[in-house]
Amino acid sequence: SAVISQKPSRDICQRGTSLTIQCQVDSQVTMMFWYRQQPGQSLTLIATANQGSEATYESGFVIDKFPISRPNLTFSTLTVSNMSPEDSSIYLCSGGGLAGKETQYFGPGTRLLVL
Amino acid sequence: SQQGEEDPQALSIQEGENATMNCSYKTSINNLQWYRQNSGRGLVHLILIRSNEREKHSGRLRVTLDTSKKSSSLLITASRAADTASYFCATDAISNFGNEKLTFGTGTRLTIIP
Repeated sequence: SAVISQKPSRDICQRGTSLTIQCQVDSQVTMMFWYRQQPGQSLTLIATANQGSEATYESGFVIDKFPISRPNLTFSTLTVSNMSPEDSSIYLCSGGGLAGKETQYFGPGTRLLVL
Repeated sequence: SQQGEEDPQALSIQEGENATMNCSYKTSINNLQWYRQNSGRGLVHLILIRSNEREKHSGRLRVTLDTSKKSSSLLITASRAADTASYFCATDAISNFGNEKLTFGTGTRLTIIP
């Protein structure tokens, strides 16, 4: 199993600013993902964080808005850039083996409120 | 778009009763997983069932899979207050770049009444 931590756990930000969320795994994992979850809703995949290369983004998400880094097999960051109130959400990272075949472990999430 | 839809959206039962949640999906899958999310927390993996399996047990959990109907159910027996949470099914899919990803259902909010 893997234990995943996220920082910050929550933040309140002003419109137009950027926030970087950190995701740390206590062991090396093959895959890391970033999700967004609106309150009371399901999870939507933002992107796959690839170690040592550019992240791969899902439809509707772009690198300029959500730059992602993954310098090694245990750490990743997601930046929410030029924030607007519509970015208010919970952001979750996950890590594990191959996504469809093995358990994915999730961080506790980062609650973001943009004013 | 969401791969899975779950029903009911919300379910309230008395402690000790059984809770059943259903998940329907649209395309062929290799595996289906169930996750639990306590309020304000991350997701916890419960069980994975493969497409060639029809039923799987884990403690008080029983999962069934019917690939002909593209549906799965999660049964929690002898419910406890600690089972209060949201439950999501997730299916494997291929992302735009060919790597595997999970697509989550809409979720069922389960409340256990003491």
